[in-house]
Amino acid sequence: KNEVEQSPQNLTAQEGEFITINCSYSVGISALHWLQQHPGGGIVSLFMLSSGKKKHGRLIATINIQEKHSSLHITASHPRDSAVYICAVGSQGNLIFGKGTKLSVKP
Amino acid sequence: NAGVTQTPKFRILKIGQSMTLQCTQDMNHNYMYWYRQDPGMGLKLIYYSVGAGITDKGEVPNGYNVSRSTTEDFPLRLELAAPSQTSVYFCASSSAWHGTQYFGPGTRLTVL
Repeated sequence: KNEVEQSPQNLTAQEGEFITINCSYSVGISALHWLQQHPGGGIVSLFMLSSGKKKHGRLIATINIQEKHSSLHITASHPRDSAVYICAVGSQGNLIFGKGTKLSVKP
Repeated sequence: NAGVTQTPKFRILKIGQSMTLQCTQDMNHNYMYWYRQDPGMGLKLIYYSVGAGITDKGEVPNGYNVSRSTTEDFPLRLELAAPSQTSVYFCASSSAWHGTQYFGPGTRLTVL
C-alpha cells in the first residue's frame, strides 16, 4: 500500500464547476504539500499546511490530521486550471509524493 | 531572482555514456534535492543536500552521484547510463527541511 494515495487519478470537469481532489496518507507527518504540475512539465508549490485550512485565490486546501486526509478544492474552475495536482507529505525522512491527479477542465 | 535553473532541458545518451545535469539556485537555500519522475509514478528522491559539503542518498541513488561544493550549485552525475535512467529529472531547493520546495524546469533524459 502506498503511503500517499490520491483520488481520483483522473478528473474531467466543465468550466465553472467546483472541484475536489483528495489525499490520504498512512504515516505521521510534519507538513503536507500540494503542488501543481503544468502540462509543460513545470512544478510549482501551491500550499504547505500542517493543520486547518489555507486559501489562495480560488484554491482552498484543508487537512484533517486525525483522519490523515487532505483535500484541495478549486472553485469556479477554469481551463487554465488543467494540470496534474500532486500531494506530498513530510514524514520522518524525506517528502513522500503521491502519483498525482490529472485534472482537465473543458470550456 | 531566477529561482532554480537546470541545464540541459533535453538530452539523449547512448548506453554507457556519462553526463552531468546542472542545477543552480539563487535563493541562498541550504536544502537541495534531485528527483526523477517516471510516467505514472510519483517523484522519487535520488539525492539531497542539507548544505555545502553535505549530501546524502535518497530513495533511488544507484547509478548517480552528486556533489555540493557551494550553496548555489548541486550537480547530478550519471555514470554509465542505462535505459532504466530514462526519465525526467527535477532539481529543487528549500529553506527548511520539509519546507516549501522550489523546482527547476526539469531535464528530459533518454538513454538509448
